[in-house]
Amino acid sequence: NAGVTQTPKFQVLKTGQSMTLQCAQDMNHEYMSWYRQDPGMGLRLIHYSVGAGITDQGEVPNGYNVSRSTTEDFPLRLLSAAPSQTSVYFCASSRKTGWNYEQYFGPGTRLTVT
Amino acid sequence: RKEVEQDPGPFNVPEGATVAFNCTYSNSASQSFFWYRQDCRKEPKLLMSVYSSGNEDGRFTAQLNRASQYISLLIRDSKLSDSATYLCVVGNSGNTPLVFGKGTRLSVIA
Repeated sequence: NAGVTQTPKFQVLKTGQSMTLQCAQDMNHEYMSWYRQDPGMGLRLIHYSVGAGITDQGEVPNGYNVSRSTTEDFPLRLLSAAPSQTSVYFCASSRKTGWNYEQYFGPGTRLTVT
Repeated sequence: RKEVEQDPGPFNVPEGATVAFNCTYSNSASQSFFWYRQDCRKEPKLLMSVYSSGNEDGRFTAQLNRASQYISLLIRDSKLSDSATYLCVVGNSGNTPLVFGKGTRLSVIA
């Protein structure tokens, strides 16, 4: 049981480049979300999904797109990378329907934008 | 006012000490409460849920005070391995995501 997996673990981008951070879970979770974590800022919600085909914006959605075509996958796309997007990105999923249950996090992607 | 507030610390305590963290939340309709633990350069993981009557898991005790809207975590007999950041997390009603506090950093010193 792999849980929540994220690729890549590390990435360096130049300003203006685009890329997709991958997230997959094998627990048949309906709820999935993307967070970024910066020093002193805590976890901030970027986008989330309550099921396949349904996504919504979180606290800091600008500059990011998501889609949820399957239950398992929830990729995060950076449209045109900026230095302000340098951060650690975590994907998470919930083991039951609804938010009031344990969130399982992936190991994170460390992104640097130069 | 932030929805979930925590003292960022760091709390530096010797091994064997008892340490307590508090967290306040602003939404009186919040329904679920958790403590997560995050080790350095790792992902957050659930430490324990917090129930209205209070609950204990080994050396860890969590309490909820709905009237004052705060949650606490007590760690007894601190171990070096308890060094981590502890995140207070609150769940609200409806289809809304969990709200994470910024975390309190604990360093247990030999």
